[in-house]
Amino acid sequence: ETGVTQTPRHLVMGMTNKKSLKCEQHLGHNAMYWYKQSAKKPLELMFVYNFKEQTENNSVPSRFSPECPNSSHLFLHLHTLQPEDSALYLCASSQEEFRGYTFGSGTRLTVV
Amino acid sequence: GENVEQHPSTLSVQEGDSAVIKCTYSDSASNYFPWYKQELGKRPQLIIDIRSNVGEKKDQRIAVTLNKTAKHFSLHITETQPEDSAVYFCAASTTGDMRFGAGTRLTVKP
Repeated sequence: ETGVTQTPRHLVMGMTNKKSLKCEQHLGHNAMYWYKQSAKKPLELMFVYNFKEQTENNSVPSRFSPECPNSSHLFLHLHTLQPEDSALYLCASSQEEFRGYTFGSGTRLTVV
Repeated sequence: GENVEQHPSTLSVQEGDSAVIKCTYSDSASNYFPWYKQELGKRPQLIIDIRSNVGEKKDQRIAVTLNKTAKHFSLHITETQPEDSAVYFCAASTTGDMRFGAGTRLTVKP
């Protein structure tokens, strides 16, 4: 493990379900991020937390809701998702904002 | 905002040859340029990075060059090995943002 742990690794959910993704880092980093990775597309930044405060929300649909209870934990709450939301969701952390990320292994999400 | 273009999208080389991946960026305020390697089914891993006050950086078989005037930077891998096969992502960062290229799938044939 590199210090950023994501659970679950795989998730299949129906469009009416509610689920949460979890990310945990023990690197002492101050910033944490959620990225969406879709095939043949650049990584898309969804949310940024720096010192637990959200600093970026790239117009992500409200069916995605982040939560950062402390500087080591980050959640992504999901509800009423669409099939096009199926992707790999990567969490990352860094000591300095937007520098030198350490990524988690990701959660492969499939919406059916 | 920043826009990062990465080429080529796929690259196939013979073991022992060199591989070069190029990226261009649009925001002249970008000052940090990392490269990530993502093997199949694994997490992206930072392999090398460069800041805007440096023109070139080398780490064993990997080097990155930066041309601020032309707004492009490149990853160079020498003496490629089959274990170099992966998707490589470039990124450009300013204060408040980091944008990624779409990735290059590198295949090293033994």
